[in-house]
Amino acid sequence: IAGITQAPTSQILAAGRRMTLRCTQDMRHNAMYWYRQDLGLGLRLIHYSNTAGTTGKGEVPDGYSVSRANTDDFPLTLASAVPSQTSVYFCASATGTVSYNEQFFGPGTRLTVL
Amino acid sequence: GESVGLHLPTLSVQEGDNSIINCAYSNSASDYFIWYKQESGKGPQFIIDIRSNMDKRQGQRVTVLLNKTVKHLSLQIAATQPGDSAVYFCAEIGGSNYKLTFGKGTLLTVNP
Repeated sequence: IAGITQAPTSQILAAGRRMTLRCTQDMRHNAMYWYRQDLGLGLRLIHYSNTAGTTGKGEVPDGYSVSRANTDDFPLTLASAVPSQTSVYFCASATGTVSYNEQFFGPGTRLTVL
Repeated sequence: GESVGLHLPTLSVQEGDNSIINCAYSNSASDYFIWYKQESGKGPQFIIDIRSNMDKRQGQRVTVLLNKTVKHLSLQIAATQPGDSAVYFCAEIGGSNYKLTFGKGTLLTVNP
């Protein structure tokens, strides 16, 4: 059982390019989340999905989009990357959203936009 | 807006000592609090949680204390070990959205 995986591990990207960060979980969790982590700012929620077919905006959604076509996958897309999107990105999943459930985090993707 | 913050950005302790990491929160509607541990190069890992109707919860070597009067949360680690060296985040869930709001983190360094 892999849990939750992310790809790529790291990426250097030219500004203006499109990039999709992949996230897959095999725990059949309903809820999935994308966070970015920046030094001094902690983890901030970008987008979330309570269940397959639904998505919602978090604290810092601008410049990012997500889709949730199935339970397992929750890709994050940067349509036109900018240097301020340089960050470490974490995907997380949880069993549900009716009440609090522990979130399990992936290993992260380190993205550098030049 | 509401926020979760930490009193100290760094904490250095000797191996075997007890560690206390503090966190202040401002959202009085928060009803669930969680401590996460993040080792270098890894994602956050759940340590322990506590609901707002409790003031103390114990795990293995860890204890979380919640003081709702002053909106303060602390994580106590007993007999701190080198493997405890990491960044520790408190996080809260408030209201009906069940989404986490993280604090900025405290770096714990355990000296042998």
